[in-house]
Amino acid sequence: GAGVSQSPSNKVTEKGKDVELRCDPISGHTALYWYRQSLGQGLEFLIYFQGNSAPDKSGLPSDRFSAERTGGSVSTLTIQRTQQEDSAVYLCASSGDPYGYTFGSGTRLTVV
Amino acid sequence: GENVEQHPSTLSVQEGDSAVIKCTYSDSASNYFPWYKQELGKRPQLIIDIRSNVGEKKDQRIAVTLNKTAKHFSLHITETQPEDSAVYFCAARGPNDYKLSFGAGTTVTVRA
Repeated sequence: GAGVSQSPSNKVTEKGKDVELRCDPISGHTALYWYRQSLGQGLEFLIYFQGNSAPDKSGLPSDRFSAERTGGSVSTLTIQRTQQEDSAVYLCASSGDPYGYTFGSGTRLTVV
Repeated sequence: GENVEQHPSTLSVQEGDSAVIKCTYSDSASNYFPWYKQELGKRPQLIIDIRSNVGEKKDQRIAVTLNKTAKHFSLHITETQPEDSAVYFCAARGPNDYKLSFGAGTTVTVRA
């Protein structure tokens, strides 16, 4: 596609429920990243996929968070048993070379 | 991993004046330093970047300088305009990684 597409754009969920966030990167981009941006805060790295290599999961805050990338394209970030502190904007980015990311518009997650 | 610190956290300038944002990084091997602009409710967008083999780069009213010895880099915006009001993030990337580490962001407000 022309840009990085994320869905849904907004998600409200009840505490304790599981949620799935989707990212469709730019076609041909081998690298895909997930970041979290809490209200008024910076960009917190979560996980990174590069081609067929094992993902870098060093930023995942707990074992409730997981992500996969199928066929080297679309990625899904799953949060199990959501907590209120999980409320944030989840940003996906992709890149086709080492220089510069293209970000998606994000998914705003609200846990009530 | 790489640690990026960004100052100031907020910056208010009069229209027409200059704005300067400074970042320091911890990994002396880092070799790529992009800057992103995030307008309210929108995705971060790359505005300028610099690689470690260059000391300065300009693009119209924005410039970035890099001091590898001191491990810091700065964003300079001249002749600021109201549309420059946004959150600006610096980032750094190590030599063997696509992953960017971001600063905490600077909220720039340009007063008319």
